[in-house]
This record gives sequence, C-alpha cells and structure tokens, in this order.
Amino acid sequence: AQSVAQPEDQVNVAEGNPLTVKCTYSVSGNPYLFWYVQYPNRGLQFLLKYITGDNLVKGSYGFEAEFNKSQTSFHLKKPSALVSDSALYFCAVRDIEDNDMRFGAGTRLTVKP
Amino acid sequence: GAVVSQHPSRVICKSGTSVKIECRSLDFQATTMFWYRQFPKQSLMLMATSNEGSKATYEQGVEKDKFLINHASLTLSTLTVTSAHPEDSSFYICSALGQAQETQYFGPGTRLLVL
Repeated sequence: AQSVAQPEDQVNVAEGNPLTVKCTYSVSGNPYLFWYVQYPNRGLQFLLKYITGDNLVKGSYGFEAEFNKSQTSFHLKKPSALVSDSALYFCAVRDIEDNDMRFGAGTRLTVKP
Repeated sequence: GAVVSQHPSRVICKSGTSVKIECRSLDFQATTMFWYRQFPKQSLMLMATSNEGSKATYEQGVEKDKFLINHASLTLSTLTVTSAHPEDSSFYICSALGQAQETQYFGPGTRLLVL
C-alpha cells in the first residue's frame, strides 16, 4: 500500500525567500506524485504532478517539485515566496496500478512580509 | 478545464435528518469520483470510491448504510448522510478523476454541521 510523509507540520519563510515543503513517499510499484494546496474552508487545488519523464516538474503559481527516486522524495519548492502562498499544502501519491490516492498530513506554510 | 463543483457549500441540519451532497464534474466526464472527509487541522480521509454505474467501494470503517453514494451519470455523484448525528459534522470533499485517469480534481467542499 502507498503512503506519504510530510515531516513538517509548519514551515515559516520570509517573503522573497525560497521555500521548500518536504514530502517522502512509499509505494510498491511506480508512483504518481501530486501536490495540492488548500485555502481555508476550501477544497484542494491541484498544483503539479509527476507521472513520468523529467524529474523536475513545474506547476501553477511558480511552484516546482523534484522527483528523486533514490530518496523517494518529491519536495515542493518555489524560488521566491509570496505572502499569498500561505496555505496548507498536501503531498499525495498513488500507485499507477491503483486509482486510490493517499495524502500526507499536510504542511502549513506561512509566508511573512 | 477540470472543474468540479459541490452543492451545497454549507449545510446545517437537525440530528436524525438526512443530507444529500452533490458533486459534479462540469467540463469533463468522470467515471470515477472519490469522497473524502476532513477533520479540523487534519488530512483528508478517503471514505469511498464511486464508479459510474456500479456500487461504491467503501474504505474500512466507513458505514455504507450511513453514507450512501450514488454515481448515476458520468458527471454526477451524490453522497447522502443518513440519520445524521453531531459526530457526522465535518468537511466533506469530493474529487473526480480526470479523463487521463491520472489526476484527481477536487470540489470546493461541503461543511456539514449537525445540531
């Protein structure tokens, strides 16, 4: 069965600084990996995904993530954080053989002016 | 593209009543939809997988007679919370699997409060 770990409950960065939100995963087969963002009282918005191909994936709002198979990681990054990036971020994984997706516990990102 | 709507966005009901939540894929057909429940400050918990034209698959510990799921068309799945109790109060989120069968797209969620 697949699982995801987001080791940090909270990440704080100053506006303009780079940000990283960490994610590691475990699957028996090949993974599909996703990042979603959730604003208060809202559903999840899709940010980016890794399916196959280039390990560096670029997504919405200037975010990117790098698939690292040897470290089983898929960390979310942005070169320059904005206050409006403050939200709850979820990493998710599914096995390509299975539609079920498993989510990490979420990381709350706070970007301070 | 890939827009999913949910209705209602917020519902308050009395204990013992039933509540129906609709999930629609607006610009694509979704053979598979998912229902999640989210408690405050927690991650999403998958409740069930809904496949068009067939019975939903429920996760372990989710009562299928309490959380009725119907996926009657390629663009609509409904979740009915029957005989709701205060402990059913939660944020319910649906998602639809995109046509490429890779990415789930989420609705905005429904906040249910049972008094």
